[in-house]
Amino acid sequence: AQSVTQLDSQVPVFEEAPVELRCNYSSSVSVYLFWYVQYPNQGLQLLLKYLSGSTLVKGINGFEAEFNKSQTSFHLRKPSVHISDTAEYFCAVSGGGATNKLIFGTGTLLAVQP
Amino acid sequence: ETGVTQTPRHLVMGMTNKKSLKCEQHLGHNAMYWYKQSAKKPLELMFVYSLEERVENNSVPSRFSPECPNSSHLFLHLHTLQPEDSALYLCASSLTSGASYEQYFGPGTRLTVT
Repeated sequence: AQSVTQLDSQVPVFEEAPVELRCNYSSSVSVYLFWYVQYPNQGLQLLLKYLSGSTLVKGINGFEAEFNKSQTSFHLRKPSVHISDTAEYFCAVSGGGATNKLIFGTGTLLAVQP
Repeated sequence: ETGVTQTPRHLVMGMTNKKSLKCEQHLGHNAMYWYKQSAKKPLELMFVYSLEERVENNSVPSRFSPECPNSSHLFLHLHTLQPEDSALYLCASSLTSGASYEQYFGPGTRLTVT
């Protein structure tokens, strides 16, 4: 069975500071990893994904994530955040297959303060 | 319209009412999903349809009844709901073949059961 752990429920950070949102996963098969962002009163939007190849993945809005197989982690980073990055961030894992089912973490609220 | 759309965006219903949520995808995908998002809980996958066949039902109560008449449309029929069913209901779609496995989400329907 697959699972995702986001240990930080909320991360406060000042504008223009760097941020890292942590994600750890467990799976007995090869995985595909995703980060989604949810702004208030909206659905989920894909930030970036890791399917294979380079372990450093770049996404939209200046975010990037690094896949670390030995540590089973897929942490999300941004070198300098903006007020507009305030949102809920979800890490997810999929084993692909016929249903392409996603297993989500509980989410991390990134609260950017001026 | 592009992407994944959901109607209505907000719904208030009594416990004895019958209502339906609608989802439509304009992306040419072959799989569609219903998720429930409650406060402080991970996204819960409710149903998966692949090529218009229901392939997963995650122990969802029978008061929720999905319908997928074609690959572009997905409904969630609701009847005799409970207050604990109040949540954001998200629809998503994806391809289940090829290199890309991400799911595309609609904006959600905010359901309040009174």
